[in-house]
Amino acid sequence: EPEVTQTPSHQVTQMGQEVILRCVPISNHLYFYWYRQILGQKVEFLVSFYNNEISEKSEIFDDQFSVERPDGSNFTLKIRSTKLEDSAMYFCASRRLAGGIGELFFGEGSRLTVL
Amino acid sequence: QQPVQSPQAVILREGEDAVINCSSSKALYSVHWYRQKHGEAPVFLMILLKGGEQKGHDKISASFNEKKQQSSLYLTASQLSYSGTYFCGTEYVDDMRFGAGTRLTVKP
Repeated sequence: EPEVTQTPSHQVTQMGQEVILRCVPISNHLYFYWYRQILGQKVEFLVSFYNNEISEKSEIFDDQFSVERPDGSNFTLKIRSTKLEDSAMYFCASRRLAGGIGELFFGEGSRLTVL
Repeated sequence: QQPVQSPQAVILREGEDAVINCSSSKALYSVHWYRQKHGEAPVFLMILLKGGEQKGHDKISASFNEKKQQSSLYLTASQLSYSGTYFCGTEYVDDMRFGAGTRLTVKP
């Protein structure tokens, strides 16, 4: 069964360092997403991406964040200068259809710990 | 703007029923339901579409009241495997946002 894969599963970094989280969406999916979940809290929307462009972004997704699809398979989230409050689980998701009718498939997540 | 869920938490015995509610201040075209088990990623349960029928998934079903902009998830004859956090999701322009979640605990 196809799945969304994320690497690394856990990353520890120092405050101020750059971090890149990687995702390989399901191959025939066209819409890609990043979500964040601080421990024990809700799943928060960060950004959606379609046709090599950001579709929507939330208020959390400020200038410190960027996304890229550098090749035909990877979808990355970069945090330029990490802060303590960036510590969270980051989930990548993809789907074949948007417009409210396509189910989201989530990866297992990348846990980011900022010290 | 994310939907509002209630209750925040439910504790059940095996075999009991529960209802989880989700509401939005904006007109909805669809509502999604996902379940997240501890330490895992959210997993899709079902989509309710405007004008569509009530959906079912095993003993879990849901309804969508378009006029009230509300959806309810019904868990009947709960099993231990139903434990987890349930999220409803709504979107307007490719920005699926989730409610704060309802933590469901099913005890033997």
